[in-house]
Amino acid sequence: DAGVIQSPRHEVTEMGQEVTLRCKPISGHDYLFWYRQTMMRGLELLIYFNNNVPIDDSGMPEDRFSAKMPNASFSTLKIQPSEPRDSAVYFCASSLGTSGTGELFFGEGSRLTVL
Amino acid sequence: AQSVSQHNHHVILSEAASLELGCNYSYGGTVNLFWYVQYPGQHLQLLLKYFSGDPLVKGIKGFEAEFIKSKFSFNLRKPSVQWSDTAEYFCAVTNAGKSTFGDGTTLTVKP
Repeated sequence: DAGVIQSPRHEVTEMGQEVTLRCKPISGHDYLFWYRQTMMRGLELLIYFNNNVPIDDSGMPEDRFSAKMPNASFSTLKIQPSEPRDSAVYFCASSLGTSGTGELFFGEGSRLTVL
Repeated sequence: AQSVSQHNHHVILSEAASLELGCNYSYGGTVNLFWYVQYPGQHLQLLLKYFSGDPLVKGIKGFEAEFIKSKFSFNLRKPSVQWSDTAEYFCAVTNAGKSTFGDGTTLTVKP
């Protein structure tokens, strides 16, 4: 299995630009999570989906952030407009939820720098 | 709501020293427990997990953890650390599909 695949691995953009991060979960996994990691705030859960349906988006910082999961094999996290404080590593993870142990499999992360 | 508390934010040890990292959680129902490790510049990877059976679980690289239900704890241990164990360690609790992570403990092992 290829694991969780994220793209891009690195993105440098200017304040005000739209950023789209992509994630392909492991085939068959029914949960997908978006996390953000920074030195200041550590690992934060932004949103998670179960069977493509958003379950909890209380961690999404503000309306500039949105996430979608149009099908079982693809999810996006969009920031519009981006700000320097959004600079972070964004991780996507997937798991077999209620039918499995809940072990999370993480992607390599997308390192975002907003200038 | 479930929460996870890791007692140490930063631990510094010399090689060959023993390690114990504390983890407590606050959910009274059935949970699955995990320790993840994040090496510098990498993503989180599973170190070990517990969901039933023997409360003493063994993971990769000589790590082990003990689940003590009465104390709501799942402490991570290693008898003799190596320089390559320098990393950040996260305890996590999963219930009904949702995982809750602790704040992480940064371990620095001096050669």
